[in-house]
Order: sequence, then structure tokens, then C-alpha cells
Amino acid sequence: DAGVIQSPRHEVTEMGQEVTLRCKPISGHDYLFWYRQTMMRGLELLIYFNNNVPIDDSGMPEDRFSAKMPNASFSTLKIQPSEPRDSAVYFCASSRQTSTGELFFGEGSRLTVL
Amino acid sequence: GENVEQHPSTLSVQEGDSAVIKCTYSDSASNYFPWYKQELGKGPQLIIDIRSNVGEKKDQRIAVTLNKTAKHFSLHITETQPEDSAVYFCAASERGGSYIPTFGRGTSLIVHP
Repeated sequence: DAGVIQSPRHEVTEMGQEVTLRCKPISGHDYLFWYRQTMMRGLELLIYFNNNVPIDDSGMPEDRFSAKMPNASFSTLKIQPSEPRDSAVYFCASSRQTSTGELFFGEGSRLTVL
Repeated sequence: GENVEQHPSTLSVQEGDSAVIKCTYSDSASNYFPWYKQELGKGPQLIIDIRSNVGEKKDQRIAVTLNKTAKHFSLHITETQPEDSAVYFCAASERGGSYIPTFGRGTSLIVHP
């Protein structure tokens, strides 16, 4: 099993630029989560999907953030325009609805906004 | 909503010593408590979990305990080794139709050889 695949692993961009992070969940998983990790706030849930439908986006910090899941095997998290305070590691995770509840995380995308 | 507090934020021990990380939660409906380990440059990975109908669970050198009355749960690592050095997260959730864990802030465990 390939696990959750995220790209890019590292992204350095300038303030004001658009950033798109990508995620391929584990095949057969019903849930997909986007988390942001910073030293100050730890792991924050941004949004999650169930069967490709966004269920709760209350963790999305601002309108500059948007997420989509056009099909069961792909999701994007977009930041437009990016700001230095968006610098963080962004994780995608997936899980199976009928499982024990274990979340399988990708290796993360480290974003630096200059 | 659920609120999970985790202590300490940093824990430094000598190889061979035991390490204990403690968490509290606020929602009495929570009934599933997983622990995740995050190694440097990687995503968190589940290492052990406990459900509310169990008070303690062990897996080799790691054990978790749960006190539902006090809303406390803890991770115990015995005979620590340098490879145990990582960030550990506790979480709490309610198992039901959907399952969304609330994570603690994490504990950075450093095991000195």
C-alpha cells in the first residue's frame, strides 16, 4: 500500500503568490483531512471530507484558504494570496469509515512564505 | 467541542528510564483515545489506542491508562531507547457515525543515550 501521498514536500514562495498543495489518499478510505502544524498551535484541523463532500471547514483560517476533492483519489488545498503567517507544515490524512478510527497521515508539505 | 490538554510539552530522559505523558479531555462523550508518534520529517503515526471500556492497554514497552471519571489518560514508555525520541500526540474522539479526533499540543520526547 502506497500510503497517503502529498506534494510538494517543500514549497518556498513569496507573499502574495498562490500556493496549491496536493494529496492522494489511501484507496478505499472514505475520509480525508487537512491539518496544519505549527509550533504555536500544534496540529489544527482545517477541513475534512467524507466521500468527497466537505463536511466541516470551520478550521479554515480565512477566505484565502480553499480546499477541493473532485474525486475519491485527489484533493487540493489552495492558499491565495499567501502570507508569511501561513508558513507551516500541512498534512493530509485519510481514514476508513468502518475502521478503528486510525488516521493515516502523509509526510506533509512544508510551506515557507517569504 | 472537545478540548484536549497535554503535558509536558517537552520531556527529556536518559536511555533506560521511563517516560510518562499525560492528557486530559473535556467531553464526557469521548470514548476513543489514540496516541500518535511523529518522527522528524514525517507525519504522525498511530502507536496505540484505548477505548472507554478498558482501563489499561499494553504493547511491549508502551502502555496507556484511562481514567474516565477524572477524564485523564496517559502514555507510559518503559526502558526508553534513543529511537523513542519523537513528538507524541494524544487525541480524543467520540466513536459513532463519524470520527474526528481532537489532538493535544504534543510532547517532544528526547531520550539521551
